[in-house]
Amino acid sequence: EPEVTQTPSHQVTQMGQEVILRCVPISNHLYFYWYRQILGQKVEFLVSFYNNEISEKSEIFDDQFSVERPDGSNFTLKIRSTKLEDSAMYFCASRYPEGISMNTEAFFGQGTRLTVV
Amino acid sequence: KQEVTQIPAALSVPEGENLVLNCSFTDSAIYNLQWFRQDPGKGLTSLLLIQSSQREQTSGRLNASLDKSSGRSTLYIAASQPGDSATYLCAVRPPSNTGKLIFGQGTTLQVKP
Repeated sequence: EPEVTQTPSHQVTQMGQEVILRCVPISNHLYFYWYRQILGQKVEFLVSFYNNEISEKSEIFDDQFSVERPDGSNFTLKIRSTKLEDSAMYFCASRYPEGISMNTEAFFGQGTRLTVV
Repeated sequence: KQEVTQIPAALSVPEGENLVLNCSFTDSAIYNLQWFRQDPGKGLTSLLLIQSSQREQTSGRLNASLDKSSGRSTLYIAASQPGDSATYLCAVRPPSNTGKLIFGQGTTLQVKP
């Protein structure tokens, strides 16, 4: 069964460093997302990406964050200068668009646990 | 602003019991609702998706219902097993083109053998 793949599974970084979280969405999906979950809290939406541009972003997604689809398969989240409060599990998700008789549910990856020290 | 609430926050039941997890949302204007399972430290596994025009969906021992007008959904688990122990998350999709999801805080279920 197709799945969303995220790497690495766990990343430890020093405060102020840049990190790039990587995702390979399901191959025929066209909508891509990043969410995060701080330990013990709700899963929160960060950004959605469609047609090579951001379609929506939350208040959390400030200038320190950026997303990119550098080729036909990868989808990345970059945090330019990490803060302690960026420590969280980051989930990538993808889905197929509506209007075509296929399942449009969102599929999530296994997450990257980011620890900022 | 859409808010999603799940009760109870935690639930412990003996094996074999039927149980109901509740999800409520403040804005009835949703595109669909999705139930997920999350094992500790792991990702989100989609269980069921209910479109706004549907009343329920079933998959094996799981049945999810949706009452959009009252802003409620339930996840019914029949004949619970220890392997069902996990956190169950409810998420609603507002009617926007982007398809983002708004999550509840989850119900952590423990099924005791």
